[in-house]
Amino acid sequence: NAGVTQTPKFQVLKTGQSMTLQCAQDMNHNSMYWYRQDPGMGLRLIYYSASEGTTDKGEVPNGYNVSRLNKREFSLRLESAAPSQTSVYFCASSGSGGVDEKLFFGSGTQLSVL
Amino acid sequence: GNSVTQMEGPVTLSEEAFLTINCTYTATGYPSLFWYVQYPGEGLQLLLKATKADDKGSNKGFEATYRKETTSFHLEKGSVQVSDSAVYFCALSAGGYNKLIFGAGTRLAVHP
Repeated sequence: NAGVTQTPKFQVLKTGQSMTLQCAQDMNHNSMYWYRQDPGMGLRLIYYSASEGTTDKGEVPNGYNVSRLNKREFSLRLESAAPSQTSVYFCASSGSGGVDEKLFFGSGTQLSVL
Repeated sequence: GNSVTQMEGPVTLSEEAFLTINCTYTATGYPSLFWYVQYPGEGLQLLLKATKADDKGSNKGFEATYRKETTSFHLEKGSVQVSDSAVYFCALSAGGYNKLIFGAGTRLAVHP
């Protein structure tokens, strides 16, 4: 089973460039999430989508936009990349977003902004 | 606000040694507590969880007990293996929706 699939795995951007990180899950989950992982800071929530058609800001949404394209796919867009957005990005999903639910994570996208 | 504090790593152990990774939390209400593990080059995986005070989560020889009086959820394993080398994250979920708050992570290296 594929689980949560993220593309690309690696990306290098110049300051000001834009790009979209793609995420898809095949577990029929309702809820999807985008996190960023920075050294010494753990993972921080950027945006989440409780269900198809809804999105909400997390802890660090500035500089990002998201689209819940359908139940399977949840993309993260950087409109004008900045060096502060250099990070590892993880997409995750869960069945219904309940507080005790397990999150399933993709393998991450390593993004460098020069 | 809600937060999680983990012991700094890296933690370096010999195979079969006893492992403790400390985790304390600050939260309003009654959070659920989790340990996730990240193996090299992979995403995070749930290791264990506890949803109320005095609950013990366990999986693959790892254990953690939800201690409300000390606001702690320390991870333990009696005998580590080389294959346990990974980064371990403590996390909490509170506020009515599954938006996890993670600690900074603790890297564990186990040598033969």
